[in-house]
Amino acid sequence: QSALTQPASVSGSPGQSITISCTGTSSDVGSYKFVSWYQQHPGKAPKLMIYEVSQRPSGVSDRFSGSKSGNTASLTISGLQAEDEADYYCCSYAGSSTVIFGGGTELTVL
Amino acid sequence: QVELQESGPGLVKPSQTLSLTCTVSGGSTSSGGYYWTWIRQYPGKGLEWIGYIYYTGSAYYNPSLKSRVTISVDTSNNQFSLKLSSVTAADTAVYYCAREKGGGYYFDYWGQGTLVAVSS
Repeated sequence: QSALTQPASVSGSPGQSITISCTGTSSDVGSYKFVSWYQQHPGKAPKLMIYEVSQRPSGVSDRFSGSKSGNTASLTISGLQAEDEADYYCCSYAGSSTVIFGGGTELTVL
Repeated sequence: QVELQESGPGLVKPSQTLSLTCTVSGGSTSSGGYYWTWIRQYPGKGLEWIGYIYYTGSAYYNPSLKSRVTISVDTSNNQFSLKLSSVTAADTAVYYCAREKGGGYYFDYWGQGTLVAVSS
């Protein structure tokens, strides 16, 4: 198992939209609908933002959306706000009851 | 509201066994539908899934750690535990316990995390 591939960093201005990619293989992202995304602020535990590719937990802003095409999943944040500045991690089911994370993306709001 | 809290030594010597416990409140480790999980985060940032356990005792581990990891559940005390043997400096990380929604492979509740350093 190798970590899912995410860009190390992305940035955007307030009000803009950004997309973070998460590339895996046909053995994980490409084969299952079980992709989730987590937001992590410094010194805090990760917070679930998206599950099952595109589902939002109760209480998560609808500015956050998820999608998947082939072996790549994506998290889009629209109407960027200063509070969105954080690290973001993707996660996928990888078969045989195992789970794999991405390396993380640092989002900077300019 | 489900809450999870990790506890255990913050410093472990190389070659020894790292032991952590997660205490669950607001939810029950004996109820079906959830897997009780350990995840760690290296100082450089990356997250790594260690493994999880069902209330029945069925456990699943990261293949890269399987030979060194044991996760157990104590439903009477509403806790679950992690043991990682033969630790090295590479095992230094923040260790999180979390709840996985069974069958969904996502983690909806997390503990605050506890830093474990491996050093002599």
